[in-house]
Amino acid sequence: DAKTTQPPSMDCAEGRAANLPCNHSTISGNEYVYWYRQIHSQGPQYIIHGLKNNETNEMASLIITEDRKSSTLILPHATLRDTAVYYCIVRGRANFGNEKLTFGTGTRLTIIP
Amino acid sequence: GAVVSQHPSRVICKSGTSVKIECRSLDFQATTMFWYRQFPKKSLMLMATSNEGSKATYEQGVEKDKFLINHASLTLSTLTVTSAHPEDSSFYICSARGQEKIYNSPLHFGNGTRLTVT
Repeated sequence: DAKTTQPPSMDCAEGRAANLPCNHSTISGNEYVYWYRQIHSQGPQYIIHGLKNNETNEMASLIITEDRKSSTLILPHATLRDTAVYYCIVRGRANFGNEKLTFGTGTRLTIIP
Repeated sequence: GAVVSQHPSRVICKSGTSVKIECRSLDFQATTMFWYRQFPKKSLMLMATSNEGSKATYEQGVEKDKFLINHASLTLSTLTVTSAHPEDSSFYICSARGQEKIYNSPLHFGNGTRLTVT
């Protein structure tokens, strides 16, 4: 799987947009970018994923650069409940049949009241 | 939809005993399940991958005789920690996927099991 790089921590004011960057410069053409988050002592929660087009759902937006070497997860109006560790993961056929999710260290996002 | 239930959420056991953790897919058939462990302030580490009806594939360094995985049905996988020791104390998390497109569908996670071995 392609390696991802994320800042270890970020703060964001409540009500503002939280923009979480992720670098995945070695991503292969058939690998997807996935975002999960983990609130303390819970299992990871799926947020969004994409291949090359930008994606939006009820939780967030995912912006993938044209060269696919980086992406940004956007939480449009952050709330205190968005405080969590956010993981950016690439997943696909880079290793044949390797469908597993390999977690990096993620970004600890703290929403400030 | 796509709910994964894990039981128990917390368990305390004595050294030398065995503990079984269950992972169920509630509203879909899970052809593949993954077991992770997580130490405090660390990321998730994959332990093994199990496919229904076949033997699990363990990651390097994970003892298959200590961490027994059974995936006997399309809705249930179990992880048994045998002869538990205090260093096995950790947060164990399962995830599952159904029969849909492999890479273009998210894996769904249970809420984890906090194991404490005394």
